[in-house]
Amino acid sequence: RKEVEQDPGPFNVPEGATVAFNCTYSNSASQSFFWYRQDCRKEPKLLMSVYSSGNEDGRFTAQLNRASQYISLLIRDSKLSDSATYLCVVNINTPLVFGKGTRLSVIA
Amino acid sequence: GAVVSQHPSRVICKSGTSVKIECRSLDFQATTMFWYRQFPKQSLMLMATSNEGSKATYEQGVEKDKFLINHASLTLSTLTVTSAHPEDSSFYICSARTGGSYEQYFGPGTRLTVT
Repeated sequence: RKEVEQDPGPFNVPEGATVAFNCTYSNSASQSFFWYRQDCRKEPKLLMSVYSSGNEDGRFTAQLNRASQYISLLIRDSKLSDSATYLCVVNINTPLVFGKGTRLSVIA
Repeated sequence: GAVVSQHPSRVICKSGTSVKIECRSLDFQATTMFWYRQFPKQSLMLMATSNEGSKATYEQGVEKDKFLINHASLTLSTLTVTSAHPEDSSFYICSARTGGSYEQYFGPGTRLTVT
């Protein structure tokens, strides 16, 4: 079983739509959780950390369910500029472990 | 946020030659640096972890004699791909973090093409 699993997509959504991505992780000892965004042929950039209580940053909401080992990202009012690959990332001891990412295309 | 640079951003080399990639933390001291590789449509795969002043720890399946890592200072780590082959063509990304923090800051990556 892979350490971090994500639906690769692509998710093709119209501007203004709400879209949700899910991610599961296998190691219950995982300590920290993040969503990164990666544009084509660029490095990943931290989008937001994910906390057990859930957290929101503008149009982005992240949730963590430790019991189910499940992380989600909700994007409201999608913009064209949200088109990217979204990487679910967990921290197990020191290095980050990346999922393969979910591709999002927001269409005008 | 913290800034990490990589050089070169792109390199094309012939099979059998060696290529050195530099990773620098510009405005903070990186006690730990990580080297990742990403093939097209694949996830980032950790190659090795290096702590300043000590030998790098390589992930399973990564040849330490082929991918030489040096982390001689708190702001610089280098990855040398020795005797490069076409299958080494990939996107190499470094990241850096300070002690006591989980957050990693990524460099812009180096696209290596071996012909």
